[in-house]
Amino acid sequence: EVHLVESGGGLVQPGGSLRLSCAASGFTFSTYSMSWVRQAPGKGLEWVSYISSSSSTIYYVASVEGRFTISRDNAKNSLYLQMNSLRDEDTAVYYCARAYCGGGSCYGSFDSWGQGTLVTVSS
Amino acid sequence: DVQMTQSPSTLSASVGDRVTITCRASQSISSWLAWYQQKPGKAPKFLIYKASSLHSGVPSRFSGSGSGTEFTLTISSLQPDDFATYYCQQYNIYPWTFGQGTKVEIK
Repeated sequence: EVHLVESGGGLVQPGGSLRLSCAASGFTFSTYSMSWVRQAPGKGLEWVSYISSSSSTIYYVASVEGRFTISRDNAKNSLYLQMNSLRDEDTAVYYCARAYCGGGSCYGSFDSWGQGTLVTVSS
Repeated sequence: DVQMTQSPSTLSASVGDRVTITCRASQSISSWLAWYQQKPGKAPKFLIYKASSLHSGVPSRFSGSGSGTEFTLTISSLQPDDFATYYCQQYNIYPWTFGQGTKVEIK
């Protein structure tokens, strides 16, 4: 069974930093691309960042470009999101999500999600 | 960015009703569209990919259709477990974007 467990969330002041982690199990992590998706309190879903299986391709939504860094360690079956220069508007539950893969290719839809970790940016 | 607009924002329905949710893209996304179901305090659940393909284990009362800019999610006979918020998502063009959600409530 696929299992994704996020950690690292918490309360941080504006301008501060946090590093989120996502521990994966139940599948061959190194063959799947992964993403971070966030959801502000009471709001909808927002895709944040993507990383390919080999880390060769990375994308960000414009609002976090230059402040957030996605990475992964396939040996440790782990996904990370380093968040710097945090702003009030970054307050959200952050989910790690596995890409749906079929027919030898991975796509931009997400077939498995973690339970999420809450990041609160406030003074 | 590709803007995804869902309608309605809220839908009141009864068990057994046929329910349809519409998702419109601001530009063509071919068939690169997914649908998710989310319940309060829970992670989204994957329902449909590539506009009309049902994910493994999802009940057959769920179906998707459309291509280009207009898409629909249909629940053929609403069940108690289906009361939730539904999101569409395009994955044709970065940044991938979601609709604002449609909440399906008990009438």
